[in-house]
Amino acid sequence: KQEVTQIPAALSVPEGENLVLNCSFTDSAIYNLQWFRQDPGKGLTSLLLIQSSQREQTSGRLNASLDKSSGRSTLYIAASQPGDSATYLCAVVDGRDDKIIFGKGTRLHILP
Amino acid sequence: KAGVTQTPRYLIKTRGQQVTLSCSPISGHRSVSWYQQTPGQGLQFLFEYFSETQRNKGNFPGRFSGRQFSNSRSEMNVSTLELGDSALYLCASSSSGGRTKNIQYFGAGTRLSVL
Repeated sequence: KQEVTQIPAALSVPEGENLVLNCSFTDSAIYNLQWFRQDPGKGLTSLLLIQSSQREQTSGRLNASLDKSSGRSTLYIAASQPGDSATYLCAVVDGRDDKIIFGKGTRLHILP
Repeated sequence: KAGVTQTPRYLIKTRGQQVTLSCSPISGHRSVSWYQQTPGQGLQFLFEYFSETQRNKGNFPGRFSGRQFSNSRSEMNVSTLELGDSALYLCASSSSGGRTKNIQYFGAGTRLSVL
């Protein structure tokens, strides 16, 4: 059964720092992996989608990598800003049953 | 282009009642997925509809059901509400579904409180 884990559950860093969020999954049979951002009490906003054949995707200050064989993905945020404060979730589309499985997220707080 | 619209935004019900939630996807999107989000379990997949057919289903009891109309709008129904059904229910739409799932666009959610 596919499981997605995100560590740490919460993270506080000073503004301007570069940071890395981690996501791991137990079964390498995935179709894609997606990173989302969720602001309190709101829905999710898709940040980056990496297909299983890709190694990374970039959008602005964000870079996501995927290593299927080791079951890991990282989200790199460059030059963090207070507006980046949110919960970041990763999700995989499982290759065996097409279901999307979410991690529980990392709550990020950027200190001004 | 309008985003994903969920109605209502907030609902308060009592145990034993039933509830219907609505989701209007982005125009042109044929895939609609539903999720339940709770502090303890996180985000859990409920079901996915594509062109009026349920394409996939999560591990939830039969009290949770859904449907999709020809205009891609979707409804989710929960019967015989339990306290544990209190959650944020999120809907997402995508231009494709299943294993070719593209970027999902989420609505703001319906917060259901069961008293």
